[in-house]
Amino acid sequence: GAGVSQSPSNKVTEKGKDVELRCDPISGHTALYWYRQSLGQGLEFLIYFQGNSAPDKSGLPSDRFSAERTGGSVSTLTIQRTQQEDSAVYLCASSTRFSSGAYNEQFFGPGTRLTVL
Amino acid sequence: AQSVTQPDIHITVSEGASLELRCNYSYGATPYLFWYVQSPGQGLQLLLKYFSGDTLVQGIKGFEAEFKRSQSSFNLRKPSVHWSDAAEYFCAVGPNTGNQFYFGTGTSLTVIP
Repeated sequence: GAGVSQSPSNKVTEKGKDVELRCDPISGHTALYWYRQSLGQGLEFLIYFQGNSAPDKSGLPSDRFSAERTGGSVSTLTIQRTQQEDSAVYLCASSTRFSSGAYNEQFFGPGTRLTVL
Repeated sequence: AQSVTQPDIHITVSEGASLELRCNYSYGATPYLFWYVQSPGQGLQLLLKYFSGDTLVQGIKGFEAEFKRSQSSFNLRKPSVHWSDAAEYFCAVGPNTGNQFYFGTGTSLTVIP
């Protein structure tokens, strides 16, 4: 079946502009995660959605970052007034949840490479 | 607090040689452990995972990993490396309750002919 898809694959923007990044998770996956991966760095957790519960926003680096998930499926990560330090690859992942509450493996999308000039 | 450490930033091995990538974690209970591989320009692909049971787990592409509770380690191994294994490898810890996964900073593997 289809995996996690993200769009656009590449985005170049000017400093100060707003950008929207889209993630389409695997159908039936209730959990959705956003990560940021800067050059040579590991994955930085940004935000997590589980079903209709309130999202865990604890990883968002500033109030310029926000995300929403509509209908428990597609998610959009919005970065307002972009800065050069926002340049990174933004990865989305989805997963299922065990009855115990624990999460199974995450399936990752190919990422969106954001470049802020 | 939970954390994952991958002590080796970069490793170079010859094709056909054995490989071991180190991963140490900090977690209060028995964690869920994962190894992912990321090829250039790609997302992360799961190599293997450990939830419980046999501490030696087999994964795809001939990889295996061993969970050692006493050492808080989950090292990834492969007996004979192929040139196509050149990639970035990430170790991750997932809680058996709660939300957040923790990833190491990755180990970059170069394979020389």
